[in-house]
Amino acid sequence: EAGVTQFPSHSVIEKGQTVTLRCDPISGHDNLYWYRRVMGKEIKFLLHFVKESKQDESGMPNNRFLAERTGGTYSTLKVQPAELEDSGVYFCASSQGRQSSGNTIYFGEGSWLTVV
Amino acid sequence: AQTVTQSQPEMSVQEAETVTLSCTYDTSESDYYLFWYKQPPSRQMILVIRQEAYKQQNATENRFSVNFQKAAKSFSLKISDSQLGDAAMYFCAYRSYLYGGATNKLIFGTGTLLAVQP
Repeated sequence: EAGVTQFPSHSVIEKGQTVTLRCDPISGHDNLYWYRRVMGKEIKFLLHFVKESKQDESGMPNNRFLAERTGGTYSTLKVQPAELEDSGVYFCASSQGRQSSGNTIYFGEGSWLTVV
Repeated sequence: AQTVTQSQPEMSVQEAETVTLSCTYDTSESDYYLFWYKQPPSRQMILVIRQEAYKQQNATENRFSVNFQKAAKSFSLKISDSQLGDAAMYFCAYRSYLYGGATNKLIFGTGTLLAVQP
């Protein structure tokens, strides 16, 4: 069974440009999460989808970030326009079934974003 | 709000030796989960071990075990018989025990980079 896959694995863009990160969760997983780790700091929650609906987007830093999950399958996270402080690793994760504390969350390898 | 603290940015251990990674957390909740995740270089982050706060017995998974001290809010990870493949970034994480509704997101520490020396 395929795990959580993310694309691109690495991206270097200039300040002011746009980047779109993609996440394919494990098949059948209704819950999809985005997290971000700025270098040297903790991994922070960005948002949570249940199928195609945003359950919680309290971690989104500002309106330059837009996440979508059309059809409840894969998700995209767009940063427009990118700023230097957006550099970091963006993790996607998924879990199955009805939201439950006990369900294991599976992570992807992360998308490394560098804004120069 | 809950917080997780990992005070060891880097650790090193000799192959076959034992190492303990520290994690403390702060919460006012009585029910919650604690996790250790491992991320090898350029690989997926995987779950190493989990502990339910209501369980007094420390969780173990083969060579990995935890020392869960609820009163002290401490959750350390012990790796026995360290192997080269254990080299990775280790993250401690907290998750509320909710009964539905709002997202029970993971709250992470800053991570500990573990090197295993041959």
